[in-house]
Amino acid sequence: DQQVKQNSPSLSVQEGRISILNCDYTNSMFDYFLWYKKYPAEGPTFLISISSIKDKNEDGRFTVFLNKSAKHLSLHIVPSQPGDSAVYFCAASAGNDYKLSFGAGTTVTVRA
Amino acid sequence: EAQVTQNPRYLITVTGKKLTVTCSQNMNHEYMSWYRQDPGLGLRQIYYSMNVEVTDKGDVPEGYKVSRKEKRNFPLILESPSPNQTSLYFCASSLSPFYGYTFGSGTRLTVV
Repeated sequence: DQQVKQNSPSLSVQEGRISILNCDYTNSMFDYFLWYKKYPAEGPTFLISISSIKDKNEDGRFTVFLNKSAKHLSLHIVPSQPGDSAVYFCAASAGNDYKLSFGAGTTVTVRA
Repeated sequence: EAQVTQNPRYLITVTGKKLTVTCSQNMNHEYMSWYRQDPGLGLRQIYYSMNVEVTDKGDVPEGYKVSRKEKRNFPLILESPSPNQTSLYFCASSLSPFYGYTFGSGTRLTVV
């Protein structure tokens, strides 16, 4: 059973607008969360992460929010650009465990 | 350039014919891992290695073997491939769980 779930397989957004990607998890031991971005024919690349001691982490146009009580995190991309069109994976780990559990991914399409 | 290199990029093989997918990293990372990506399932961990001669099963290890004789190399071995192992495979390495993973470009395997 998947412990990390991305319930929206796809998202289409206008260039310049906000993209919001959601991720839910079931394992209460998870305390470190990451987002990866993947282009076709390439491996995933690390985008941004957040520790459970925080509820927000920002890096340029990318912000990740964590709601531990709801076991929910989200990735905001503002403003969205055509180069952001990719598959985004949410991932989580517990403690210092190197093992990552991934969601199924959300395909983002940014329309010009 | 820091990278994880997988070979081959594409492979078509027949059921039962042993094959090896190689993975090499040049970042002196201790941790390495293999994932498979399937539609709707995201990335699932096959095996991982914390260091030389230290390997352990991930979520879907059946039908796979690995070895870690040198720090830089972590080959994935399919002793008797079956069609349900048709997938996109990624090798990854990491210095620390908090710095994310560096992924290879992937190996598209088809077993007929």
